[in-house]
Amino acid sequence: QKEVEQNSGPLSVPEGAIASLNCTYSDRGSQSFFWYRQYSGKSPELIMFIYSNGDKEDGRFTAQLNKASQYVSLLIRDSQPSDSATYLCAVRPNSGNTPLVFGKGTRLSVIA
Amino acid sequence: DADVTQTPRNRITKTGKRIMLECSQTKGHDRMYWYRQDPGLGLRLIYYSFDVKDINKGEISDGYSVSRQAQAKFSLSLESAIPNQTALYFCATSDSLAGTVNTQYFGPGTRLTVL
Repeated sequence: QKEVEQNSGPLSVPEGAIASLNCTYSDRGSQSFFWYRQYSGKSPELIMFIYSNGDKEDGRFTAQLNKASQYVSLLIRDSQPSDSATYLCAVRPNSGNTPLVFGKGTRLSVIA
Repeated sequence: DADVTQTPRNRITKTGKRIMLECSQTKGHDRMYWYRQDPGLGLRLIYYSFDVKDINKGEISDGYSVSRQAQAKFSLSLESAIPNQTALYFCATSDSLAGTVNTQYFGPGTRLTVL
């Protein structure tokens, strides 16, 4: 059973702070990793993906991947109240033609 | 126009009724998926299809069936709806191009209530 684990939260941060969201996965051979944002009652939307160890930056968002530790994180700099949402981590298993495996998500609340 | 559309967006039905949820996409993707989402349980995969002739069960397929009518259309049916099928249902699509990460893109969702 391939698993993706996230702390359900809520994670509360003040406006302007850095929010750090974490995700661990069980399939050591997993190849690509995704972060989605989901507002309440809406569909998940892709923020970014990463497939190489290290950091990948896109605007205020940075994804960090450590395959040895089976750990992926998302940093949100200068957090805004509009960032308040549930963040889903998803992993593509190494078994090739299989769908993404999703974590249950971390709820982030940015306090103005 | 949205790349992935779902109809209906909201549906209230009664126990025992047959319900069909439809998904269409204009992204040209060959892979399509159906998920349901319940509070605290995250996204759970119901069925997926990698091309028109390919249908695969996900982790919670019991009580559901699907039809891939064309590359762009993938329908989910509840043959006899029951209250615990009340949930938010999402369709998603992805490509299968080698050398890409095959990101999944989601439709807007269908909120289904079974009374």
